[in-house]
Amino acid sequence: GEDVEQSLFLSVREGDSSVINCTYTDSSSTYLYWYKQEPGAGLQLLTYIFSNMDMKQDQRLTVLLNKKDKHLSLRIADTQTGDSAIYFCADRPPKAGTALIFGKGTTLSVSS
Amino acid sequence: DAGVTQSPTHLIKTRGQQVTLRCSPKSGHDTVSWYQQALGQGPQFIFQYYEEEERQRGNFPDRFSGHQFPNYSSELNVNALLLGDSALYLCASSLGGDEQFFGPGTRLTVL
Repeated sequence: GEDVEQSLFLSVREGDSSVINCTYTDSSSTYLYWYKQEPGAGLQLLTYIFSNMDMKQDQRLTVLLNKKDKHLSLRIADTQTGDSAIYFCADRPPKAGTALIFGKGTTLSVSS
Repeated sequence: DAGVTQSPTHLIKTRGQQVTLRCSPKSGHDTVSWYQQALGQGPQFIFQYYEEEERQRGNFPDRFSGHQFPNYSSELNVNALLLGDSALYLCASSLGGDEQFFGPGTRLTVL
């Protein structure tokens, strides 16, 4: 299977919470990242988490890491229409050096 | 503080031609990585430059080559273009390879 897998689509209503999930294969990964890509634009680094952490919170964003299941999630509280974008999970496993391994991205659609 | 900049924004080439894309890293960054993002896919790592040397390379053919200059800016060259090379090419800069900050990309169309 792919090194990093994500569900492709998520649709939520404005004001709700969004949860985007990701699984990865390399249990020795030390850094995991979340990037946001708006239409026609590059990637914006949202947040990252070290493998020795279970959770990281940054304003409306909460990252949860379950190392046992190799599962990463990004929760966006109070989702706004401006959050509509593609969200990429990225892994940086030791075998890849400093290269980032990306999933295919989750398209988040927020309706008002 | 200017972020990562890339030029040109868009480019149209024909099969067999050669192309050069340019990237200026974020101020204070010394490492530049290049990624290819095909439509509907996540970015794929091409290679990374540090101290003017290719430090690491992904699974891309030798038609893809690069260069890093003393001011840390970088070029990506692609020879003998194929239709499948049509993609968004992203440059990312970092200090030593950790947090990677991406530029807006160059959209390459090969006809």
